[in-house]
Amino acid sequence: QSVLTQPPSVSAAPGQKVTISCSGSSSNIGKNYVSWYQQFPGTAPKLLIYDNNKRPSGIPDRFSGSKSGTSATLGITGLQTGDEADYYCETWDSSLSAVVFGGGTKLTVL
Amino acid sequence: QLQLQESGPGLVKPSETLSLTCTVSGGSISSSSYYWGWIRQPPGKGLEWIGSISYSGSTYYNPSLKSRVTISVDTSKNQFSLKLSSVTAADTAVYYCARPAAVNQVNYFDCWGQGILVTVSS
Repeated sequence: QSVLTQPPSVSAAPGQKVTISCSGSSSNIGKNYVSWYQQFPGTAPKLLIYDNNKRPSGIPDRFSGSKSGTSATLGITGLQTGDEADYYCETWDSSLSAVVFGGGTKLTVL
Repeated sequence: QLQLQESGPGLVKPSETLSLTCTVSGGSISSSSYYWGWIRQPPGKGLEWIGSISYSGSTYYNPSLKSRVTISVDTSKNQFSLKLSSVTAADTAVYYCARPAAVNQVNYFDCWGQGILVTVSS
């Protein structure tokens, strides 16, 4: 059971927009920055978003992040078939003194 | 360009100790105040942070694994290592080493090794 809760799967058509939610608590998302990762099968995760809404160099602006209270959201616009992957949220939990991940969300681009 | 590479046995017997090493190239493990982390992923499941260590040896561990985990750093070899004791089949996973994007930050990892599959089986 993950400390952060994500929907197991989401889907949308090419060109559309999708959002992936990440729910936590006052000791993690409520108090710390959230990051998001993209992972393709058989490969290491890739940092997509950090500090709630910042993109590392090279990440297209189709990817966005936001946070409100104890929840965070990853948004992807202009969906492409190449966006089909697993997406994970992550943050620091101040009560646990630990890095915590969401359970992951599988994105299907129909 | 910073690169991380995991190495170690791909097969460990139950009750034994899993030992992995992460070799850092393209940068010095002790040149800045970075934390260096281990994350694992059981087959078909999500990511789980194991722990992190600074170049000076300061550590953070996942509370659920803390009693079995030791992470150490060898600055002379530019490596850091993971030991997980008393392993069971539940410890079968791909193990990644990774470095956060910013100094003095334990999380948000922007540089990852390719991962190494460790299977626990007799």
